[in-house]
Amino acid sequence: RKEVEQDPGPFNVPEGATVAFNCTYSNSASQSFFWYRQDCRKEPKLLMSVYSSGNEDGRFTAQLNRASQYISLLIRDSKLSDSATYLCVVNNGGTSYGKLTFGQGTILTVHP
Amino acid sequence: GAGVSQSPRYKVAKRGQDVALRCDPISGHVSLFWYQQALGQGPEFLTYFQNEAQLDKSGLPSDRFFAERPEGSVSTLKIQRTQQEDSAVYLCASSLAVHSPLHFGNGTRLTVT
Repeated sequence: RKEVEQDPGPFNVPEGATVAFNCTYSNSASQSFFWYRQDCRKEPKLLMSVYSSGNEDGRFTAQLNRASQYISLLIRDSKLSDSATYLCVVNNGGTSYGKLTFGQGTILTVHP
Repeated sequence: GAGVSQSPRYKVAKRGQDVALRCDPISGHVSLFWYQQALGQGPEFLTYFQNEAQLDKSGLPSDRFFAERPEGSVSTLKIQRTQQEDSAVYLCASSLAVHSPLHFGNGTRLTVT
């Protein structure tokens, strides 16, 4: 079983739609959580951190449920430019000094 | 530039050849990571440096893979006797300090024929 699991999709949605991605992680000692975005043939870039209290950045909302070891990302009012792969990322902290563990990624395509 | 720089951008190697991939991290960044990303997968950790010290190499897939960062700045990932399964994008990332956000380079795409 992979340490971080995501539905690979693809998700195909029209502009303006709301779309949600989910992710589960297996290490209950994981300490910090992120969503990264990766455009085709580009490097991953940090989209947002994820906190237990939930956090929002414009059209993006991230949630963390530590009890269920579950992370989500909600995108409202999708834009064409949101088309990318979204990577769920976990940092196990402690002696792993910031080493990130990535999920497989979920592909999103937003169409006109 | 101000970002992480990797070279070459693309590398084609015949099976059995040795390759060397270079990473120039952001100036002053203490931590440096190498990741391997196969097609359709997320990046997978290979190795980590704090300054010149290689603190973790648990992700290196075999003893054909070797990484160094002798002066705590530029790093080189070397793959000896390349195999087809080594074909992937090799990403380098650096961060200012432990647990600071990672900044990725745009990767080296290695194709072994």
